[in-house]
Amino acid sequence: DAKTTQPPSMDCAEGRAANLPCNHSTISGNEYVYWYRQIHSQGPQYIIHGLKNNETNEMASLIITEDRKSSTLILPHATLRDTAVYYCIVRSNNDMRFGAGTRLTVKP
Amino acid sequence: GAVVSQHPSWVICKSGTSVKIECRSLDFQATTMFWYRQFPKQSLMLMATSNEGSKATYEQGVEKDKFLINHASLTLSTLTVTSAHPEDSSFYICSAYRGQAFYSGNTIYFGEGSWLTVV
Repeated sequence: DAKTTQPPSMDCAEGRAANLPCNHSTISGNEYVYWYRQIHSQGPQYIIHGLKNNETNEMASLIITEDRKSSTLILPHATLRDTAVYYCIVRSNNDMRFGAGTRLTVKP
Repeated sequence: GAVVSQHPSWVICKSGTSVKIECRSLDFQATTMFWYRQFPKQSLMLMATSNEGSKATYEQGVEKDKFLINHASLTLSTLTVTSAHPEDSSFYICSAYRGQAFYSGNTIYFGEGSWLTVV
């Protein structure tokens, strides 16, 4: 699986959009980009995934650059409950392997 | 969406005893399930891949005789920590994807996790 690079931490004001970047410069053609988040003491929660096109669901939007070497997860209106560790994972194999992620803190 | 459930949510056991953690897919069949371990302030580490009806595949450094995995049905995988010691205390998490055929766009869903404390 391609390695991903994320900032270790980010802050966001409540009600504002949270934009979480992820670099995956070694991604190959059949590898999907997945985003999960983990709230303290819980299992990871699936957010969104994509291959080439931008994706949107009820939780977030995923913007993937045209060369697919980076992506951004957008939480349009962050709330305090969005405080969590966000993991960007590039996957081609059967399993899912986690990096260190970004600790997002949403502040009032 | 798909739901993966673990039981128990937390367990305390004495050193030297064995403890079993169950992972169930509640609304889908899962040919393959995965087990992870997470220590405080660290990321999830894949321990093993559990395949229905066959032996699990363990990651390098994970003792297969200590962490016994059984995947007896399409909706249940169990992880048994044998002869548990305090250093085995951790957060154990399972995951699964729907269906039998793998492709990398098939979403993996995670259980709520199980806290194990060995005293």
